Amino acid sequence: GAVVSQHPSWVICKSGTSVKIECRSLDFQATTMFWYRQFPKQSLMLMATSNEGSKATYEQGVEKDKFLINHASLTLSTLTVTSAHPEDSSFYICSARMRSSYEQYFGPGTRLTVT
Amino acid sequence: GEDVEQSLFLSVREGDSSVINCTYTDSSSTYLYWYKQEPGAGLQLLTYIFSNMDMKQDQRLTVLLNKKDKHLSLRIADTQTGDSAIYFCAVRGGTKTGANNLFFGTGTRLTVIP
Repeated sequence: GAVVSQHPSWVICKSGTSVKIECRSLDFQATTMFWYRQFPKQSLMLMATSNEGSKATYEQGVEKDKFLINHASLTLSTLTVTSAHPEDSSFYICSARMRSSYEQYFGPGTRLTVT
Repeated sequence: GEDVEQSLFLSVREGDSSVINCTYTDSSSTYLYWYKQEPGAGLQLLTYIFSNMDMKQDQRLTVLLNKKDKHLSLRIADTQTGDSAIYFCAVRGGTKTGANNLFFGTGTRLTVIP
């Protein structure tokens, strides 16, 4: 149980375009989802926390207009990287948490390459 | 936030034991986790320990927690080449840093030499 999927697993896009990454909880309802970014050979950096039906809370230094997060249902959150630039190239990992629990279940990650 | 520190690299020979260390700063942290990340993949939860425990063993994995020194370790017995990966220590924030947050260490890259 507690499986989280991400789609796509990798994506290449051109500079200036937008790309959407999906995070789904497959067998549970995720009241909270987290988006992390991981640079090569570095740790995970929390970008934002989203609760179902409300606006995401962004960490300091993360541009909310650039990284749009939508958590419209209890099983789906999306991260849209708008007007992507090569420096946005990274590994994006989501995690999900169910109500009344602190445990986070991680997705397999999405590798974004902006050319 | 909480500072979680790990050494960056560890090399061991196949069949030996590996010990990966982690230190953290928030003494009120409740749960402490070890995750494994293989190349190009997400995080796989290996094991975790609650802060009122000193030790937890799960097959080849042994977690030791020294709350006084805020030190956590993961021992992998009979290390295999398939154990080569990056291991992240993660700490759930306590009263000082918030229980909603999970703080990650930098990761230790374990290389197993055949």
